[in-house]
Amino acid sequence: DAGVTQTPRHEVAEKGQTIILKCEPVSGHNDLFWYRQTKIQGLELLSYFRSKSLMEDGGAFKDRFKAEMLNSSFSTLKIQPTEPKDSAVYLCASRDWGGAETLYFGSGTRLTVL
Amino acid sequence: AQSVTQPDARVTVSEGASLQLRCKYSYFGTPYLFWYVQYPRQGLQLLLKYYPGDPVVQGVNGFEAEFSKSNSSFHLRKASVHWSDWAVYFCAVSMDSNYQLIWGSGTKLIIKP
Repeated sequence: DAGVTQTPRHEVAEKGQTIILKCEPVSGHNDLFWYRQTKIQGLELLSYFRSKSLMEDGGAFKDRFKAEMLNSSFSTLKIQPTEPKDSAVYLCASRDWGGAETLYFGSGTRLTVL
Repeated sequence: AQSVTQPDARVTVSEGASLQLRCKYSYFGTPYLFWYVQYPRQGLQLLLKYYPGDPVVQGVNGFEAEFSKSNSSFHLRKASVHWSDWAVYFCAVSMDSNYQLIWGSGTKLIIKP
């Protein structure tokens, strides 16, 4: 079984640009999460989808961050416009169904905003 | 409020020595508890998980953890660490009725040769 695939691995953007990060979850998984990881804040939830429906859009991240799940096997995270404080690692994770299940993570996209 | 606390941001252990990483949680009801590990430049991966039942859970690579309801703890242990265990370890808690995982801040494990 393929794991969670995230592309690109690295992204460098100028302040004000629009960037799109991509994620392919484990086949058959119903839950998909986007997290932002920084040394200071740790893991912060950006979005949560269940069966392609957006269940949680991460409160503080609403205005410039938008995640979509176009089908059950592909999700995107758009940041528009980017700011230097968005520099972080963005992680996508999926699981089968429910709180007892294991989360499978991608390797992440490291975003640097200049 | 629901929370997970990993009180040690960094732990240094000599190779071959034993290890304990601490995790305390605050959660209503009976939780599911997880330890995940993050190796450099990788995503997180599951080490072990606890479902209500036997309080001692065995995981991969010789790791185990013990659930204590009275102490609200889920500490991770290993009898003899190897240099390849150098990583960041995250404790997390969830409930079946709630999608959210609550994450600890992580403990960076450094191995001395």
